[in-house]
Amino acid sequence: GEDVEQSLFLSVREGDSSVINCTYTDSSSTYLYWYKQEPGAGLQLLTYIFSNMDMKQDQRLTVLLNKKDKHLSLRIADTQTGDSAIYFCAEKGTGGSYIPTFGRGTSLIVHP
Amino acid sequence: NAGVMQNPRHLVRRRGQEARLRCSPMKGHSHVYWYRQLPEEGLKFMVYLQKENIIDESGMPKERFSAEFPKEGPSILRIQQVVRGDSAAYFCASSPPRGKAEAFFGQGTRLTVV
Repeated sequence: GEDVEQSLFLSVREGDSSVINCTYTDSSSTYLYWYKQEPGAGLQLLTYIFSNMDMKQDQRLTVLLNKKDKHLSLRIADTQTGDSAIYFCAEKGTGGSYIPTFGRGTSLIVHP
Repeated sequence: NAGVMQNPRHLVRRRGQEARLRCSPMKGHSHVYWYRQLPEEGLKFMVYLQKENIIDESGMPKERFSAEFPKEGPSILRIQQVVRGDSAAYFCASSPPRGKAEAFFGQGTRLTVV
């Protein structure tokens, strides 16, 4: 079955770059997503990348996809305290009936 | 264009009661997914529905849980005879027809069973 793995915690200093990594197993993944969840809130779609792309940039966010290694990363430039949240990686592919499958989430802690 | 709407945001039920969670997808979205999030855990898929059809319910517990997405009105996740272990945040997501990228989430319903 499909599986998405993420490290559970990341701590960075304000102003530094953050890199959150994710690996997945479903080779038929069509779309790969990054969601942000703040405490007590729902999931906010940050960005997604189609599987035929290897990079996508959106302001402070850069998504890199290594399809050969099934590795996805999210880089946040100039990390701010407001970026502190849980970040979920997810994939959706034909192998899973187009059901988005999520990792356990990475808690990003930004300290001054 | 309103986002995915879930209600209620918070729901408290006594053990043995029924819980009904509602989800209205975004306009133009015909696919609905329900997920459960337990404390300190990720999102676990429960059920995937299209209008009047259950497409995949492989993540639903076999007993007490049911879901529907009628032709008119919101999708409903129903939990009968709730137990303490049902306490969790339940999230709904919607997406356009098959093959499209966007999958947007509601704010969730936080169910507490006392």
